[in-house]
Amino acid sequence: SQQGEEDPQALSIQEGENATMNCSYKTSINNLQWYRQNSGRGLVHLILIRSNEREKHSGRLRVTLDTSKKSSSLLITASRAADTASYFCATDGDNQGGKLIFGQGTELSVKP
Amino acid sequence: KAGVTQTPRYLIKTRGQQVTLSCSPISGHRSVSWYQQTPGQGLQFLFEYFSETQRNKGNFPGRFSGRQFSNSRSEMNVSTLELGDSALYLCASSLRPNRPSGTEAFFGQGTRLTVV
Repeated sequence: SQQGEEDPQALSIQEGENATMNCSYKTSINNLQWYRQNSGRGLVHLILIRSNEREKHSGRLRVTLDTSKKSSSLLITASRAADTASYFCATDGDNQGGKLIFGQGTELSVKP
Repeated sequence: KAGVTQTPRYLIKTRGQQVTLSCSPISGHRSVSWYQQTPGQGLQFLFEYFSETQRNKGNFPGRFSGRQFSNSRSEMNVSTLELGDSALYLCASSLRPNRPSGTEAFFGQGTRLTVV
């Protein structure tokens, strides 16, 4: 079953613009992780945010977590063509038996 | 530090055959999980191994099985292949299972299995 629902499903922007992707989930979590996947290849880990954290930064990435709304957002600032990829959120919680549950992903296209 | 290595990268099998996929985790990581990715179902959890023991299993038929060796390397096996088993199979390694507070899972490049 899918825990995370991502929005939008697809996003097309110009280089230099910011890209925001949202993820909503249904049950309580221990942490939420964001991954990037380029064209059917492996998943690259971007950032992990724990349930007691509200915001986290890594380079051009900013992740927020609102546990009261059961939602997270990933912001990529000053996007580049190389950011073109699918982005997935994945939740980890005590009721998930140690497995990550992924959303369907957001397909980001950054045009030069 | 080498990343997660999955072999082979690509496989073409005939319906009814069986297949074995291999995953070598990051050195020092003892937890290995397997996921199936298809366009229709997205990323679905298959199973997780830690210290050679299966800790958790997803909702897949018994044709899907796995094991982990003492060096933490893992294999998954799919018997009696069906067309619907065509997918990207991803392996993830982490230091320890994702509890209680979680730890990052690092994925390999995957094995693209095509069943014809």
